[in-house]
Amino acid sequence: ELKVEQNPLFLSMQEGKNYTIYCNYSTTSDRLYWYRQDPGKSLESLFVLLSNGAVKQEGRLMASLDTKARLSTLHITAAVHDLSATYFCAVDRAGSSGTYKYIFGTGTRLKVLA
Amino acid sequence: EPEVTQTPSHQVTQMGQEVILRCVPISNHLYFYWYRQILGQKVEFLVSFYNNEISEKSEIFDDQFSVERPDGSNFTLKIRSTKLEDSAMYFCASSERQKSGGYTFGSGTRLTVV
Repeated sequence: ELKVEQNPLFLSMQEGKNYTIYCNYSTTSDRLYWYRQDPGKSLESLFVLLSNGAVKQEGRLMASLDTKARLSTLHITAAVHDLSATYFCAVDRAGSSGTYKYIFGTGTRLKVLA
Repeated sequence: EPEVTQTPSHQVTQMGQEVILRCVPISNHLYFYWYRQILGQKVEFLVSFYNNEISEKSEIFDDQFSVERPDGSNFTLKIRSTKLEDSAMYFCASSERQKSGGYTFGSGTRLTVV
């Protein structure tokens, strides 16, 4: 059974600091997704990583994927308060019928302190 | 940008009552999904739907749950006899094709069973 774990679960950081969130998954997958969720809100797509070595950047966030290590990272550069949210990674997995579904990570709740 | 629309945004129901959660996926999408998120927890797969039938369902999706695409545009999730533990945020999602680079999630329906 595919397991997706994130580390840390909670992260409190000062504005201006850098930090990395880690996403490990237990079985082979070539595709990994990062989502942001604000409290009580939906899931906003941040990054789609479709191959080994993929790196994508948007503003202060950068995501990478190492399929051999089954690891993705979400790096935050010079954090600002607006980045406070919960971040989820998700790996897609073929079901018995051949269609795919997401398996989500445990989530990392990020709080950026002014 | 096309959106997945969910109604209602919040529903309160008494235990044992039936509820129907509604979703309008993006018009050219072919794959449809329901996920749920119990407050403060990770997002869990419920069911996937393609070609007018269920492709896969999780253990959570028991006989109390059903899905329909009654008219080619709406996609509904019915819970026949709600339990307290059904209280959660329910997200609908759709995608144009598999391995496409991600789903589009709806804004969610918060279901509260009292």
